[in-house]
Amino acid sequence: NAGVTQTPKFQVLKTGQSMTLQCAQDMNHEYMSWYRQDPGMGLRLIHYSVGAGITDQGEVPNGYNVSRSTTEDFPLRLLSAAPSQTSVYFCASSWSGGGAYEQYFGPGTRLTVT
Amino acid sequence: EDKVVQSPLSLVVHEGDTVTLNCSYEVTNFRSLLWYKQEKKAPTFLFMLTSSGIEKKSGRLSSILDKKELFSILNITATQTGDSAVYLCAGTTSGTYKYIFGTGTRLKVLA
Repeated sequence: NAGVTQTPKFQVLKTGQSMTLQCAQDMNHEYMSWYRQDPGMGLRLIHYSVGAGITDQGEVPNGYNVSRSTTEDFPLRLLSAAPSQTSVYFCASSWSGGGAYEQYFGPGTRLTVT
Repeated sequence: EDKVVQSPLSLVVHEGDTVTLNCSYEVTNFRSLLWYKQEKKAPTFLFMLTSSGIEKKSGRLSSILDKKELFSILNITATQTGDSAVYLCAGTTSGTYKYIFGTGTRLKVLA
Protein backbone atom coordinates (compact mmCIF):
# COMPACT_ATOMS: atom_id res chain seq x y z
CA ASN A 1 0.00 0.00 0.00
CA ALA A 2 1.22 3.48 -0.87
CA GLY A 3 -0.96 4.96 1.90
CA VAL A 4 -1.83 8.63 1.35
CA THR A 5 -0.04 10.33 -1.53
CA GLN A 6 0.01 14.02 -2.39
CA THR A 7 1.26 15.90 -5.43
CA PRO A 8 3.05 18.17 -5.94
CA LYS A 9 5.47 18.36 -3.00
CA PHE A 10 6.28 22.00 -3.68
CA GLN A 11 4.50 24.68 -5.68
CA VAL A 12 4.97 28.39 -6.28
CA LEU A 13 2.01 30.36 -7.61
CA LYS A 14 1.44 33.97 -8.52
CA THR A 15 -1.47 35.82 -6.95
CA GLY A 16 -4.65 35.10 -8.87
CA GLN A 17 -3.54 31.81 -10.36
CA SER A 18 -5.55 28.66 -9.75
CA MET A 19 -4.34 25.14 -9.17
CA THR A 20 -5.34 21.75 -7.81
CA LEU A 21 -3.54 19.86 -5.10
CA GLN A 22 -3.94 16.13 -5.59
CA CYS A 23 -4.56 13.59 -2.85
CA ALA A 24 -5.10 9.87 -3.19
CA GLN A 25 -5.32 6.94 -0.79
CA ASP A 26 -5.36 3.22 -1.47
CA MET A 27 -6.65 2.01 1.90
CA ASN A 28 -10.36 2.23 1.03
CA HIS A 29 -10.88 4.82 3.78
CA GLU A 30 -14.23 6.55 3.74
CA TYR A 31 -13.09 9.71 5.49
CA MET A 32 -10.65 12.17 3.91
CA SER A 33 -9.72 15.69 4.88
CA TRP A 34 -7.52 18.62 3.97
CA TYR A 35 -5.61 20.69 6.51
CA ARG A 36 -3.35 23.65 6.31
CA GLN A 37 -0.53 24.20 8.76
CA ASP A 38 0.89 27.62 9.46
CA PRO A 39 3.58 28.45 12.03
CA GLY A 40 2.09 28.51 15.53
CA MET A 41 -1.39 27.61 14.26
CA GLY A 42 -1.39 23.84 14.41
CA LEU A 43 -3.48 21.99 11.82
CA ARG A 44 -6.64 23.73 10.64
CA LEU A 45 -9.32 21.80 8.80
CA ILE A 46 -10.22 23.18 5.37
CA HIS A 47 -12.70 20.64 3.97
CA TYR A 48 -13.52 17.05 4.66
CA SER A 49 -15.46 14.19 3.11
CA VAL A 50 -17.19 11.22 4.71
CA GLY A 51 -17.54 9.33 1.45
CA ALA A 52 -17.75 9.63 -2.32
CA GLY A 53 -20.08 12.46 -3.27
CA ILE A 54 -20.21 13.92 0.26
CA THR A 55 -18.12 16.90 1.33
CA ASP A 56 -18.40 19.54 4.03
CA GLN A 57 -16.60 22.64 5.17
CA GLY A 58 -14.11 22.73 7.97
CA GLU A 59 -12.74 25.63 9.94
CA VAL A 60 -11.11 27.63 7.10
CA PRO A 61 -12.89 26.80 3.80
CA ASN A 62 -12.83 30.19 2.06
CA GLY A 63 -10.86 30.23 -1.18
CA TYR A 64 -10.86 26.45 -1.57
CA ASN A 65 -13.10 23.93 -3.32
CA VAL A 66 -13.20 20.16 -3.06
CA SER A 67 -15.03 17.28 -4.68
CA ARG A 68 -15.02 13.56 -4.04
CA SER A 69 -16.05 11.56 -7.10
CA THR A 70 -14.27 8.37 -5.97
CA THR A 71 -13.32 6.84 -2.63
CA GLU A 72 -9.63 7.11 -3.53
CA ASP A 73 -9.25 10.74 -4.62
CA PHE A 74 -9.90 14.04 -2.87
CA PRO A 75 -8.44 17.01 -4.78
CA LEU A 76 -8.25 20.50 -3.31
CA ARG A 77 -8.71 23.44 -5.68
CA LEU A 78 -7.44 26.92 -5.07
CA LEU A 79 -9.68 29.18 -7.09
CA SER A 80 -7.63 32.39 -7.11
CA ALA A 81 -4.46 32.10 -5.07
CA ALA A 82 -3.65 34.75 -2.48
CA PRO A 83 -0.49 35.27 -0.40
CA SER A 84 -2.53 34.34 2.70
CA GLN A 85 -2.78 30.82 1.27
CA THR A 86 0.96 30.31 1.57
CA SER A 87 1.12 27.29 3.84
CA VAL A 88 1.85 23.60 4.09
CA TYR A 89 -1.14 21.49 3.08
CA PHE A 90 -1.77 18.00 4.41
CA CYS A 91 -4.28 15.48 3.20
CA ALA A 92 -5.38 12.74 5.58
CA SER A 93 -7.64 9.72 5.56
CA SER A 94 -9.20 7.48 8.17
CA TRP A 95 -11.85 4.82 8.62
CA SER A 96 -14.22 3.80 11.33
CA GLY A 97 -13.78 0.05 11.08
CA GLY A 98 -13.59 -1.50 14.53
CA GLY A 99 -14.23 1.90 16.06
CA ALA A 100 -10.78 3.15 15.04
CA TYR A 101 -10.52 6.75 13.92
CA GLU A 102 -6.76 6.83 13.46
CA GLN A 103 -5.92 9.33 10.77
CA TYR A 104 -3.14 8.78 8.25
CA PHE A 105 -1.41 11.80 6.76
CA GLY A 106 0.14 12.37 3.36
CA PRO A 107 3.63 13.89 3.09
CA GLY A 108 2.35 17.42 2.52
CA THR A 109 2.51 20.09 -0.17
CA ARG A 110 4.42 23.29 0.52
CA LEU A 111 2.70 26.12 -1.34
CA THR A 112 4.06 29.62 -1.75
CA VAL A 113 1.95 32.37 -3.29
CA THR A 114 3.82 35.46 -4.39
CA GLU B 1 -17.14 26.17 19.45
CA ASP B 2 -14.99 23.08 19.79
CA LYS B 3 -11.42 23.70 20.85
CA VAL B 4 -8.28 21.92 21.96
CA VAL B 5 -5.60 23.76 23.93
CA GLN B 6 -2.09 22.49 24.48
CA SER B 7 0.49 23.62 26.99
CA PRO B 8 3.22 24.56 27.19
CA LEU B 9 3.71 26.00 23.71
CA SER B 10 7.38 25.10 23.81
CA LEU B 11 9.76 23.32 26.09
CA VAL B 12 13.53 22.86 26.21
CA VAL B 13 14.96 20.02 28.31
CA HIS B 14 18.17 18.02 28.56
CA GLU B 15 18.58 14.39 27.64
CA GLY B 16 17.39 12.12 30.41
CA ASP B 17 14.75 14.54 31.70
CA THR B 18 11.08 13.56 32.01
CA VAL B 19 8.51 15.83 30.38
CA THR B 20 4.73 16.13 30.65
CA LEU B 21 2.73 17.69 27.86
CA ASN B 22 -0.82 18.85 28.48
CA CYS B 23 -3.91 18.86 26.31
CA SER B 24 -7.31 20.17 27.41
CA TYR B 25 -10.37 19.94 25.23
CA GLU B 26 -13.91 21.17 24.79
CA VAL B 27 -15.39 18.99 22.07
CA THR B 28 -19.08 18.42 21.50
CA ASN B 29 -20.02 14.72 21.40
CA PHE B 30 -16.45 13.84 22.27
CA ARG B 31 -15.33 10.44 21.10
CA SER B 32 -11.55 10.16 21.41
CA LEU B 33 -8.32 12.05 21.86
CA LEU B 34 -5.29 11.39 19.71
CA TRP B 35 -1.62 12.30 20.09
CA TYR B 36 0.71 12.79 17.14
CA LYS B 37 4.43 13.48 16.79
CA GLN B 38 5.52 15.80 14.00
CA GLU B 39 9.10 16.23 12.93
CA LYS B 40 9.92 18.02 9.70
CA LYS B 41 7.15 16.24 7.84
CA ALA B 42 3.67 14.80 8.28
CA PRO B 43 2.35 13.96 11.75
CA THR B 44 2.77 10.37 12.87
CA PHE B 45 0.30 8.67 15.16
CA LEU B 46 1.24 7.96 18.78
CA PHE B 47 -1.88 7.15 20.81
CA MET B 48 -5.63 7.16 20.70
CA LEU B 49 -7.50 7.42 24.00
CA THR B 50 -11.19 6.83 24.48
CA SER B 51 -11.57 5.76 28.12
CA SER B 52 -10.72 7.65 31.28
CA GLY B 53 -7.95 6.46 33.53
CA ILE B 54 -6.49 3.80 31.25
CA GLU B 55 -2.86 4.49 30.50
CA LYS B 56 -1.53 3.78 27.05
CA LYS B 57 2.17 3.08 26.86
CA SER B 58 4.73 2.70 24.11
CA GLY B 59 8.32 2.48 25.22
CA ARG B 60 9.22 5.69 27.02
CA LEU B 61 5.97 7.40 26.03
CA SER B 62 2.70 7.11 27.90
CA SER B 63 -0.59 8.93 27.87
CA ILE B 64 -3.78 9.07 29.88
CA LEU B 65 -7.18 10.67 29.49
CA ASP B 66 -9.43 12.28 32.11
CA LYS B 67 -12.92 12.64 30.65
CA LYS B 68 -14.29 14.27 33.78
CA GLU B 69 -11.75 17.11 33.81
CA LEU B 70 -11.46 17.10 29.99
CA PHE B 71 -7.73 16.75 29.60
CA SER B 72 -5.00 14.39 28.60
CA ILE B 73 -1.29 14.25 29.30
CA LEU B 74 1.58 12.80 27.33
CA ASN B 75 4.61 11.75 29.36
CA ILE B 76 8.05 11.12 27.93
CA THR B 77 10.62 9.63 30.28
CA ALA B 78 14.41 9.57 29.78
CA THR B 79 14.14 11.97 26.86
CA GLN B 80 16.50 11.65 23.90
CA THR B 81 17.44 14.13 21.19
CA GLY B 82 15.29 12.10 18.80
CA ASP B 83 12.24 13.10 20.83
CA SER B 84 12.65 16.68 19.60
CA ALA B 85 9.49 17.42 17.64
CA VAL B 86 6.13 19.14 17.76
CA TYR B 87 3.56 17.08 19.65
CA LEU B 88 -0.04 17.56 18.57
CA CYS B 89 -3.21 16.43 20.21
CA ALA B 90 -6.61 16.26 18.55
CA GLY B 91 -10.14 15.62 19.74
CA THR B 92 -12.62 13.73 17.62
CA THR B 93 -16.40 13.83 17.61
CA SER B 94 -18.85 11.00 17.27
CA GLY B 95 -20.51 10.71 13.90
CA THR B 96 -18.77 13.56 12.08
CA TYR B 97 -15.21 12.16 11.77
CA LYS B 98 -13.90 15.66 12.46
CA TYR B 99 -10.58 16.16 14.19
CA ILE B 100 -9.95 19.34 16.15
CA PHE B 101 -6.23 19.94 16.60
CA GLY B 102 -4.41 21.96 19.20
CA THR B 103 -1.56 24.25 18.18
CA GLY B 104 1.05 21.80 19.42
CA THR B 105 3.90 21.75 21.93
CA ARG B 106 7.37 22.18 20.46
CA LEU B 107 9.82 20.03 22.43
CA LYS B 108 13.56 20.45 22.08
CA VAL B 109 15.85 17.97 23.80
CA LEU B 110 19.45 19.07 24.22
CA ALA B 111 22.33 16.60 24.31
